Amino acid sequence: DTAVSQTPKYLVTQMGNDKSIKCEQNLGHDTMYWYKQDSKKFLKIMFSYNNKELIINETVPNRFSPKSPDKAHLNLHINSLELGDSAVYFCASSHNRFTQYFGPGTRLTVL
Amino acid sequence: KNEVEQSPQNLTAQEEEFITINCSYSVGISALHWLQQHPGGGIVSLFMLSSGKKKHGRLIATINIQEKHSSLHITASHPRDSAVYICAVSSTGNQFYFGTGTSLTVIP
Repeated sequence: DTAVSQTPKYLVTQMGNDKSIKCEQNLGHDTMYWYKQDSKKFLKIMFSYNNKELIINETVPNRFSPKSPDKAHLNLHINSLELGDSAVYFCASSHNRFTQYFGPGTRLTVL
Repeated sequence: KNEVEQSPQNLTAQEEEFITINCSYSVGISALHWLQQHPGGGIVSLFMLSSGKKKHGRLIATINIQEKHSSLHITASHPRDSAVYICAVSSTGNQFYFGTGTSLTVIP
């Protein structure tokens, strides 16, 4: 019954690896988002996506790419992981860019 | 300078106190959001507003578009209100900007 779910909850990996974080929403929303929360707890949007438009925060490295197999999923792929990528990543969804519902977060640790 | 500024950064209050958290922004917005992040890390959206005032239980959010300012009020605060409160704006340029959050601790 979870509205927005993310997997995995924790991800520990070596520098240089490629990894993915999955996000699924069962709310029928048309827009999904990825956010990064750094060690200082500062939230920053990475992407927003609906079936018409992908909006990328220009500060996001191109090693990060969102992939949406269907309206209910927006996965985050990260290539060549770096130490600075360690953070908590939140997925969220909304209908027509209204109130957002957040997933529980994925804590990524790059060693 | 951050597009969204919040104050105070940290706030400690006694139970039952009336609490106000302020948010100022510098960009044109389509909406302003108040989020709550619990100590366990989960984020909950409290309000989304583009004008006026909204109320939900003991929480009230107001926005003044002309002054580019919003406030979040908590009446009769309770220890379970202890959390980080984050102000965010959806800009007219389709970007999101976040404040640095206000860490609230309510003491019994």
